[in-house]
Amino acid sequence: QKEVEQDPGPLSVPEGAIVSLNCTYSNSAFQYFMWYRQYSRKGPELLMYTYSSGNKEDGRFTAQVDKSSKYISLFIRDSQPSDSATYLCAMSFRGGFKTIFGAGTRLFVKA
Amino acid sequence: KAGVTQTPRYLIKTRGQQVTLSCSPISGHRSVSWYQQTPGQGLQFLFEYFSETQRNKGNFPGRFSGRQFSNSRSEMNVSTLELGDSALYLCASSLLGEGLNTEAFFGQGTRLTVV
Repeated sequence: QKEVEQDPGPLSVPEGAIVSLNCTYSNSAFQYFMWYRQYSRKGPELLMYTYSSGNKEDGRFTAQVDKSSKYISLFIRDSQPSDSATYLCAMSFRGGFKTIFGAGTRLFVKA
Repeated sequence: KAGVTQTPRYLIKTRGQQVTLSCSPISGHRSVSWYQQTPGQGLQFLFEYFSETQRNKGNFPGRFSGRQFSNSRSEMNVSTLELGDSALYLCASSLLGEGLNTEAFFGQGTRLTVV
């Protein structure tokens, strides 16, 4: 079993839809939770960064962490064609020096 | 402010050869991490350097090595290349030196193809 599980998709939605992306993990020691967006032929860019449990909102993006269920989510409201990309969840340990990534979910937003 | 620069962007090598990839972090960033990205395995951690010291290493064979210079620039080397080493190699730099516990910025990657 992988430490971080993420459905690779692809996920296809119409423009304006609410998108829900999810990851589950097995190691309860993870403390930092991130979401990255990666466009084709580009490096990943950090979208959201959360320490421990709770919600965090940034514009159209909301990240949720449920440590009791070992489950994290990223919601995208009013999705746009420019949101079409691969979304990677990532997590790391407090004081750790490496990060574990999910497989990434490919998202297509149709105009 | 210049971003993370990786060179070269594309590389084609033959099995058995060795290759060196370079990463220049954002000015002032002292931590550099390297990752291998493939369609089958996703992003896998190779190693992390901070102030010229390797602090953590992933589960890759000894053919993969790296180093960091006093100006924080980093190189990774792969010796005796295998077909399975074909991948996008990404480096990420961060300021506070706790790997990716703080905001990290990725370069565009080096696409290595082994034939």
